[in-house]
Amino acid sequence: QKEVEQNSGPLSVPEGAIASLNCTYSDRGSQSFFWYRQYSGKSPELIMFIYSNGDKEDGRFTAQLNKASQYVSLLIRDSQPSDSATYLCAVNGGTSYGKLTFGQGTILTVHP
Amino acid sequence: EAQVTQNPRYLITVTGKKLTVTCSQNMNHEYMSWYRQDPGLGLRQIYYSMNVEVTDKGDVPEGYKVSRKEKRNFPLILESPSPNQTSLYFCASLGNSFPGELFFGEGSRLTVL
Repeated sequence: QKEVEQNSGPLSVPEGAIASLNCTYSDRGSQSFFWYRQYSGKSPELIMFIYSNGDKEDGRFTAQLNKASQYVSLLIRDSQPSDSATYLCAVNGGTSYGKLTFGQGTILTVHP
Repeated sequence: EAQVTQNPRYLITVTGKKLTVTCSQNMNHEYMSWYRQDPGLGLRQIYYSMNVEVTDKGDVPEGYKVSRKEKRNFPLILESPSPNQTSLYFCASLGNSFPGELFFGEGSRLTVL
């Protein structure tokens, strides 16, 4: 089992819809969780982080964390074509703090 | 401007020819790390450094070396590059406050023939 696994893509949604991106992790001791966005040919940039169970909202983005299920998700409301990118889930802490582990990424396409 | 700078951005080399990819950050961050990115595999950590003189292996350290003699610099060394090291490499530094945001360099695309 991979340490951090994201739902296989690519994911395609129409403009204005909700995009749902999912991520599971294997290290139960993991402490903090991140979502990065990476446009083609660019470096990743941080969208959100979460470290407590529940929801965290920032504009059109909502991160959800369920430590019991070892599951973290990212919802993008009112999706825009500019949201089209690869989304990377990353997990820190656990048995080896400082070892930030990324999932393989989910490609999101928002079509007009 | 706060940034992570890595060089070279693009490099084509041949098998066995030693090369170094430099990385420098101006944000006074303690933690720095190297990743490689390959299609379908996401970002995989090569090495990381919690602070000066302390480095540790990530998930794919084979064939790579690093050093951290000063806080701002964290070079990645390929002593004898092989074609399976053809990849896109990112250097990153981690913000000092919890939970820490990773700041990435622009990436170095390396091709080993």
